[in-house]
Amino acid sequence: ETGVTQSPTHLIKTRGQQVTLRCSSQSGHNTVSWYQQALGQGPQFIFQYYREEENGRGNFPPRFSGLQFPNYSSELNVNALELDDSALYLCASSLAISDGGGAFFGQGTRLTVV
Amino acid sequence: GQNIDQPTEMTATEGAIVQINCTYQTSGFNGLFWYQQHAGEAPTFLSYNVLDGLEEKGRFSSFLSRSKGYSYLLLKELQMKDSASYLCAPSGNTPLVFGKGTRLSVIA
Repeated sequence: ETGVTQSPTHLIKTRGQQVTLRCSSQSGHNTVSWYQQALGQGPQFIFQYYREEENGRGNFPPRFSGLQFPNYSSELNVNALELDDSALYLCASSLAISDGGGAFFGQGTRLTVV
Repeated sequence: GQNIDQPTEMTATEGAIVQINCTYQTSGFNGLFWYQQHAGEAPTFLSYNVLDGLEEKGRFSSFLSRSKGYSYLLLKELQMKDSASYLCAPSGNTPLVFGKGTRLSVIA
């Protein structure tokens, strides 16, 4: 148990739709990072939030956006879903911003776009 | 930018020892994480090395050489449940970036 929870655990969406994924950080952690992991690949960094501000972004288009709330929970929003967006989406929370999202991952959300 | 290199796949026998190597290039290096990831599950934290040398934690040990940009994960007394992907992730001035990981298969 890492104390990081994600919802939902599984989701099926249709191409063109929008999706919101949620992450509840470990208590006291002020930094959250989101990753996309396709089958057989390592997690790819999407973006990071530190105290409600975006603190870094990977090579993902603007239709991937996020929010971090005052309680440090977070959302990942993806607009205009494409088939290639099908993946495991992971969030990780940390205390130390220099650790880039740190050591603690949620269980992930498996998104399938059909 | 960052560059991380690990072997793609490894196979080892139950009860044996296996060493998974990782070389990296990153800016502003702080330390290096190792994670274990079973198929379909989230990565779980194994170790975080900041200083040079070997750190032992039960059957798993992790080694770091900052000057060489090199780390390895050593797994002893392999068990079938150790079959998983192992991800190394250097931590620096940028958020944590992962390589593709090493898929370890433990066979009887």
